[in-house]
Amino acid sequence: GNSVTQMEGPVTLSEEAFLTINCTYTATGYPSLFWYVQYPGEGLQLLLKATKADDKGSNKGFEATYRKETTSFHLEKGSVQVSDSAVYFCALGNRDDKIIFGKGTRLHILP
Amino acid sequence: NAGVTQTPKFRILKIGQSMTLQCTQDMNHNYMYWYRQDPGMGLKLIYYSVGAGITDKGEVPNGYNVSRSTTEDFPLRLELAAPSQTSVYFCASSRPDQGHGYTFGSGTRLTVV
Repeated sequence: GNSVTQMEGPVTLSEEAFLTINCTYTATGYPSLFWYVQYPGEGLQLLLKATKADDKGSNKGFEATYRKETTSFHLEKGSVQVSDSAVYFCALGNRDDKIIFGKGTRLHILP
Repeated sequence: NAGVTQTPKFRILKIGQSMTLQCTQDMNHNYMYWYRQDPGMGLKLIYYSVGAGITDKGEVPNGYNVSRSTTEDFPLRLELAAPSQTSVYFCASSRPDQGHGYTFGSGTRLTVV
């Protein structure tokens, strides 16, 4: 069945550092891939998505590329800010089916 | 658009009490979901619905019930509250055929004492 594996946290970085949160997946067919972000005390928000191989999703300085050959969708940001502190969830979904979420990675950014 | 609206935001229940968590969406999404999120943990699917009149169990349905009489509303019922149901509950909705992912509500924080 479909599954998502993402790196365990917490991840602690200093402001302006480079961020990578790894995500790999197992899936049948050609799913869409997503990154969601959850700020403290809030619900999950869609951060970015990619719907087919080699697509790059981007938003708020974050990027992730749909790599079918390595079954990966790693989240990157060149220079993180304190306001990026949150929990990040990798997810995949086929059309007409439920989305499968990873377990989440907590990110702490130190000023 | 209001998106997905959940009420109440906070609630404290005594063991054995019952309550209904309300969820409504105004985006004409056919799919709706209920998740729980325990402290420091990921999401666990409780129930979901692919359209009005249709509901199905997720991975942790015990102790909960749902109904979907309209496209907009998807209430979650706790009949006999237990401390193990202390959690944050999130409702979400989607149109899978559009491939846009889920829209989440802001959550209901429930404590059972």
